[in-house]
Amino acid sequence: ETGVTQTPRHLVMGMTNKKSLKCEQHLGHNAMYWYKQSAKKPLELMFVYNFKEQTENNSVPSRFSPECPNSSHLFLHLHTLQPEDSALYLCASSHEGLPNTEAFFGQGTRLTVV
Amino acid sequence: GDSVTQMEGPVTLSEEAFLTINCTYTATGYPSLFWYVQYPGEGLQLLLKATKADDKGSNKGFEATYRKETTSFHLEKGSVQVSDSAVYFCALSDNGGSQGNLIFGKGTKLSVKP
Repeated sequence: ETGVTQTPRHLVMGMTNKKSLKCEQHLGHNAMYWYKQSAKKPLELMFVYNFKEQTENNSVPSRFSPECPNSSHLFLHLHTLQPEDSALYLCASSHEGLPNTEAFFGQGTRLTVV
Repeated sequence: GDSVTQMEGPVTLSEEAFLTINCTYTATGYPSLFWYVQYPGEGLQLLLKATKADDKGSNKGFEATYRKETTSFHLEKGSVQVSDSAVYFCALSDNGGSQGNLIFGKGTKLSVKP
């Protein structure tokens, strides 16, 4: 496998459920990110992990809980979500410290909260 | 804070027409600038980038020039194809920060008719 892989591609969950989104990268990158893409809004950066350490949390509600067990895997644990959390959640990775690099994105998980 | 503004869509063109999607930015430092493309049902793919003033990024017939004096990074293509139908995002990253820590515009949807 190559690139950034996200699973599942689609997820429907109730407001009382607990679920997790998974992201995996096989690019040898050392930084991973979660973005939220909602209709009619710019992509919003949620979390940044650099060398497995969380370096940014952009005022994201605590019902979203990230986990980065190693530099290749990133999770987003979800609990007691609201319907307005329905969106496309995109994972990205990059190699920090190298010049002239860029971020690579996964295909996203389409989340619907009912 | 830093921000990106791009023209509202949707943009509808006939095949072989000339394309321009305007993008302007506000940044305190000297950011890197990017155009990402999102095809239907997919994640984001990097289309082109420029890391300093007067650089021109190009890929697949698309071009954009980093204009510091006008704080712009307009995307152009001389002859669009149906396969170019997608949503295009202009983005910037603070060169002092992570390459995946991106600020995006709202996106411009392009539809190319045969």
